[in-house]
Amino acid sequence: QKEVEQDPGPLSVPEGAIVSLNCTYSNSAFQYFMWYRQYSRKGPELLMYTYSSGNKEDGRFTAQVDKSSKYISLFIRDSQPSDSATYLCAMSGRRGSTLGRLYFGRGTQLTVWP
Amino acid sequence: DAGVTQSPTHLIKTRGQQVTLRCSPKSGHDTVSWYQQALGQGPQFIFQYYEEEERQRGNFPDRFSGHQFPNYSSELNVNALLLGDSALYLCASSFQGTGGNYGYTFGSGTRLTVV
Repeated sequence: QKEVEQDPGPLSVPEGAIVSLNCTYSNSAFQYFMWYRQYSRKGPELLMYTYSSGNKEDGRFTAQVDKSSKYISLFIRDSQPSDSATYLCAMSGRRGSTLGRLYFGRGTQLTVWP
Repeated sequence: DAGVTQSPTHLIKTRGQQVTLRCSPKSGHDTVSWYQQALGQGPQFIFQYYEEEERQRGNFPDRFSGHQFPNYSSELNVNALLLGDSALYLCASSFQGTGGNYGYTFGSGTRLTVV
């Protein structure tokens, strides 16, 4: 079992739709949870960063972390064609092998069509 | 303010050859991490350098080695290349603070093709 599981999709939605992306994980040492966006042939860029459980909102993006269920989500409201990219969840912790390194899901490919 | 820069952007090598990839961290960052991203997969951690030493290593063979220079830039070396080493190699820089790494920033990567 991989430490971080993410459905690769692909996911295709119309412009204006609400998009829901999620990941599950198995390592209870993870405390930092991130979502990255990656355009084709580019490096990942940080979208959202959350420490421990809870919700965080930034514009059209909302990140949720449920540590009791080991489940994290990213919601995109009013999706735009420019949101078309691969979305990667990533996690790290504060001790042992989880300190300072990121554990990624395999990414979900999202297409938003006009 | 320049972000993380990687060179070269693309590279084609033959099986058995050796390759060196380079990374310059973002200004103010002192830590460099390397990741391998195979097609359709998430990035996998190779190793991390801080104070010119390898601080942590992922599940990669000894054919993968690295170096960090006094100006914090870094190199990734891969020996005896295999077809399976074909991937996007990402460098990420960060800075050490209380409790861990901060400001994790990725470069655009080097796409290595082994033929």
